[in-house]
Amino acid sequence: QPVLTQPTSLSASPGASARFTCTLRSGINVGTYRIYWYQQKPGSLPRYLLRYKSDSDKQQGSGVPSRFSGSKDASTNAGLLLISGLQSEDEADYYCAIWYSSTYVVFGGGTKLTVL
Amino acid sequence: QVQLVQSGSELKKPGASVKVSCKASGYTFTSYAMNWVRQAPGQGLEWMGWINTNTGNPTYAQGFTGRFVFSLDTSVSTAYLQISSLKAEDTAVYYCARRDPSGAFDIWGQGTMVTVSS
Repeated sequence: QPVLTQPTSLSASPGASARFTCTLRSGINVGTYRIYWYQQKPGSLPRYLLRYKSDSDKQQGSGVPSRFSGSKDASTNAGLLLISGLQSEDEADYYCAIWYSSTYVVFGGGTKLTVL
Repeated sequence: QVQLVQSGSELKKPGASVKVSCKASGYTFTSYAMNWVRQAPGQGLEWMGWINTNTGNPTYAQGFTGRFVFSLDTSVSTAYLQISSLKAEDTAVYYCARRDPSGAFDIWGQGTMVTVSS
């Protein structure tokens, strides 16, 4: 079972909200980790969006709009990326990541967002 | 402005070696660790490891030991990734990424496409 699991795809309408999940493997407590989120548009380099551990330990990436936000769902052991007011330009792949055991980085497999 | 500029695309034959460069500007090079990330065609991001830009000490992820070497030239604020004994499965885009104190990869290079083909 992978350390981080993301759905392969997500579709939403312009103006709506999108909720991305990043589920940590059983036995790895989401409450312990900072979850990092990256956006990668087709043919482009990844862009750091934000990190979220708790409401007191979070950071927005430089220039990232406030309609991108992070959260957690302890009941499903998942980190969440929320995008409100979806725009066509938000179409991209979204990756979560953690520093596992403070030693190495693990990326999730990525979720492709389609805005239609 | 803060940026990482990588060297251009490479086409190599199996068994050859390649060295990718990542030149930093706009910040103090030795203040931030440098990471390397691989992305095979149509695939996701895969962390390769990182190098301490103060000490030059590298840390390699599982699967990236032996043929992969991270190095630095701090005099020109440049990090390097060298891959030896290239295989077709090394075909990928290789990114360098600066790690900020919180652990985020806040600045990325534009990527270097390495194609291994006979």
